[in-house]
Amino acid sequence: SYVLTQPPSVSLAPGKTARITCGGNNIGSKSVHWYQQKPGQAPVLVIYYDSDRPSGIPERFSGSNSGNTATLTISRVEAGDEADYYCQVWDSSTDHVVFGGGTKLTVL
Amino acid sequence: VQLQESGPGLVRPSQALSLTCTVSGGSISSDYYYWSWIRQPAGKGLEWIGRVSSRGNTNYNPSLKSRVTISVDTSKNQFSLNLRSVTAADTAVYYCARGHNWNDDLFDPWGQGTLVTVSS
Repeated sequence: SYVLTQPPSVSLAPGKTARITCGGNNIGSKSVHWYQQKPGQAPVLVIYYDSDRPSGIPERFSGSNSGNTATLTISRVEAGDEADYYCQVWDSSTDHVVFGGGTKLTVL
Repeated sequence: VQLQESGPGLVRPSQALSLTCTVSGGSISSDYYYWSWIRQPAGKGLEWIGRVSSRGNTNYNPSLKSRVTISVDTSKNQFSLNLRSVTAADTAVYYCARGHNWNDDLFDPWGQGTLVTVSS
């Protein structure tokens, strides 16, 4: 089945740019969606169809997808961005949803 | 739209886990949306369980397919999860979520989640 690989953790100082990657075989041919999950809360959609942003999500959040890597970019990181981030795709070969393992973003 | 999970918080091993998700602020009968269950063991990642359309069409995670049934009750604006023969490995927070594309699904919004513990 299709596998999505994320780094377990990313740490950086406030004001810097965070880049969270999601690797998969030819992932550029799929649509990638990203979710933010803060402790004790349900996940929230922050990027869909690679780079679209739902209403209410700050413009600091952006996404890209090409080749074997999709990337969630968070500009000017704030303490409130600390969370787990998950990528997700639809695996059309098996007709089911696949999530990445998640990346914990820590703002130092 | 808001989603709310409900059901027992404790299930005995080998029994069935049954949860219901109630949809408010919108109709579950819409042809534009689909209804999924997703779970998350403590300290671990997200696992998609399966989904149902308002017409009763379903897809399941191959790893759980033999034990799962998801159904919809449009008269009550609810959909349900039944997971049979549970073990401790099924202990998790269970979320229901609205899906947006049958052929390329994404989830928004999610319910708040409900913790189900499998223990004797």
